[in-house]
Amino acid sequence: DTAVSQTPKYLVTQMGNDKSIKCEQNLGHDTMYWYKQDSKKFLKIMFSYNNKELIINETVPNRFSPKSPDKAHLNLHINSLELGDSAVYFCASSFRTGGETQYFGPGTRLLVL
Amino acid sequence: GNSVTQMEGPVTLSEEAFLTINCTYTATGYPSLFWYVQYPGEGLQLLLKATKADDKGSNKGFEATYRKETTSFHLEKGSVQVSDSAVYFCALSPGNKLVFGAGTILRVKS
Repeated sequence: DTAVSQTPKYLVTQMGNDKSIKCEQNLGHDTMYWYKQDSKKFLKIMFSYNNKELIINETVPNRFSPKSPDKAHLNLHINSLELGDSAVYFCASSFRTGGETQYFGPGTRLLVL
Repeated sequence: GNSVTQMEGPVTLSEEAFLTINCTYTATGYPSLFWYVQYPGEGLQLLLKATKADDKGSNKGFEATYRKETTSFHLEKGSVQVSDSAVYFCALSPGNKLVFGAGTILRVKS
């Protein structure tokens, strides 16, 4: 029944490791997003895909690579994890771009030690 | 550019008190405006939205009016409950993303 789901919910890993976060939506939306929420709760867009095509890449380090195998999935792979990558990562989706309501997943809490 | 400024928290109120959380924005064009709420340990949920000037969004007793002349979208509720304790985010959408304010923590005491 979950509209936007993310796995894993929690991720604890060592500096230098590579990890992936998966996101799936069953709303039939065309557009998906990744946001990062820092320790002060500030939220910032990282990436956006529309119909599997990248439309936003907000000056995110190259270590972050999103992949959208189909419209319902948007994964985030992070190479060479750093301490500063510790945050909550939220996936979201919307029917289309252009001021539409975005629906958020529950978040993935990443802690890099 | 596009930006959102929210009043700093935390805001602490007694149950049944009146709530106002101020939000002002800077934007090119006429963006859609949103309030999202984040309960502890959860993701963001849409609380309400407005897509054009003078529109009023409302949900669960919360209201906000899109004021173009003052570039504001203040959130109000007449009588808060303990269950309203959460972080509230004002956001605008200039087209293909959401630009968030810093969030305001609301704590409601019984």
